[in-house]
Amino acid sequence: DAGVIQSPRHEVTEMGQEVTLRCKPISGHDYLFWYRQTMMRGLELLIYFNNNVPIDDSGMPEDRFSAKMPNASFSTLKIQPSEPRDSAVYFCASSFRGGASIYGYTFGSGTRLTVV
Amino acid sequence: AQSVTQLDSQVPVFEEAPVELRCNYSSSVSVYLFWYVQYPNQGLQLLLKYLSGSTLVKGINGFEAEFNKSQTSFHLRKPSVHISDTAEYFCAVSDRTGANNLFFGTGTRLTVIP
Repeated sequence: DAGVIQSPRHEVTEMGQEVTLRCKPISGHDYLFWYRQTMMRGLELLIYFNNNVPIDDSGMPEDRFSAKMPNASFSTLKIQPSEPRDSAVYFCASSFRGGASIYGYTFGSGTRLTVV
Repeated sequence: AQSVTQLDSQVPVFEEAPVELRCNYSSSVSVYLFWYVQYPNQGLQLLLKYLSGSTLVKGINGFEAEFNKSQTSFHLRKPSVHISDTAEYFCAVSDRTGANNLFFGTGTRLTVIP
């Protein structure tokens, strides 16, 4: 398996633009997580899905952020409009059947977002 | 809810010296514990985990960790570090109730000095 695949690896955009981050989880994994990593706040859980259904989005910073999982093999995290304070590395992770409690997560390589 | 405290934000150590990265957790229920490693410009990789049984857990790359319930700690150790161990290390905890969530510490930056 190729692991969790995220695209793009790097994104530079201007303030006010829409940004879409993409994630392909490991086949067969039924949980998908979006994390944000910054120097100031460390790793923050933004939202997670189980069987394509959002379970907990309490970590989403504000309405400018939205996430979808239209099918088991694809998820997007969208920021509209983007702001400089959104600059961070965004990670996607997946796990299998409550795997965080037993197996941990498999992380993608992340998308480094820079909003100028 | 659970929380994790990594006491040291940065740990410099000379090559071939031993190292210990400290992790303490707080939880009102029984937990599972994890250590992840993040190499520069990469995602997090699972280093080792404690689920049950022996309190000494061995992971990849010669790392091990010991679960100490009375001290609510899960410190990571390696008897002799290599330059390639330079990375960020994250301790994480999840509860055993079935809630599928990992709580991460703020990370410890290990720098191995030649």
